Amino acid sequence: SAVISQKPSRDICQRGTSLTIQCQVDSQVTMMFWYRQQPGQSLTLIATANQGSEATYESGFVIDKFPISRPNLTFSTLTVSNMSPEDSSIYLCSVVLPGRGRQYFGPGTRLTVL
Amino acid sequence: DAKTTQPNSMESNEEEPVHLPCNHSTISGTDYIHWYRQLPSQGPEYVIHGLTSNVNNRMASLAIAEDRKSSTLILHRATLRDAAVYYCILRANAGGTSYGKLTFGQGTILTVHP
Repeated sequence: SAVISQKPSRDICQRGTSLTIQCQVDSQVTMMFWYRQQPGQSLTLIATANQGSEATYESGFVIDKFPISRPNLTFSTLTVSNMSPEDSSIYLCSVVLPGRGRQYFGPGTRLTVL
Repeated sequence: DAKTTQPNSMESNEEEPVHLPCNHSTISGTDYIHWYRQLPSQGPEYVIHGLTSNVNNRMASLAIAEDRKSSTLILHRATLRDAAVYYCILRANAGGTSYGKLTFGQGTILTVHP
């Protein structure tokens, strides 16, 4: 299994500012994903972050708004830039372990933008 | 991506079996059927997955129709801790460009009554 931690667990931010969310995994993984869960909604994939390459963004998400870093096989960051109240969501990272079919999710970061 | 259809909500009584259905009529031959659940205020957690044959694990059973166009997640004895949103997701096989990506639908909200 994989143990995933995220920091911060929650934050309240002002409009126009940026927040960087950290995701730490207790084992080396190639594939890491960032999801967003808006209030009362299901999860939506933001991007795939593979170590050694640029993140791949899903339709509707752009690098300028959600820059991602993946400096090594156990860590990634997602920045939510120039925030607006519409960015208020839970942001989750997840990983797929090599050779395993299942995906593991972090506990999420609850972001509120005022 | 192939889509799944699930009932919005279901209810069960504690200690009784629960059958959660999922339709996936456009499933491809290499798609795996995955089930995840999300307990309140937590990230999703893996429940079970399968390709063609029925699968059992300590959490649940997965019954897959012979034509693979539908499946059923079976919780043999529901407990209050099983109250969650259950997601049925089709996941591409390893090697494909979509491998690892999970497309979440709205899922089924399971309520368990004491």
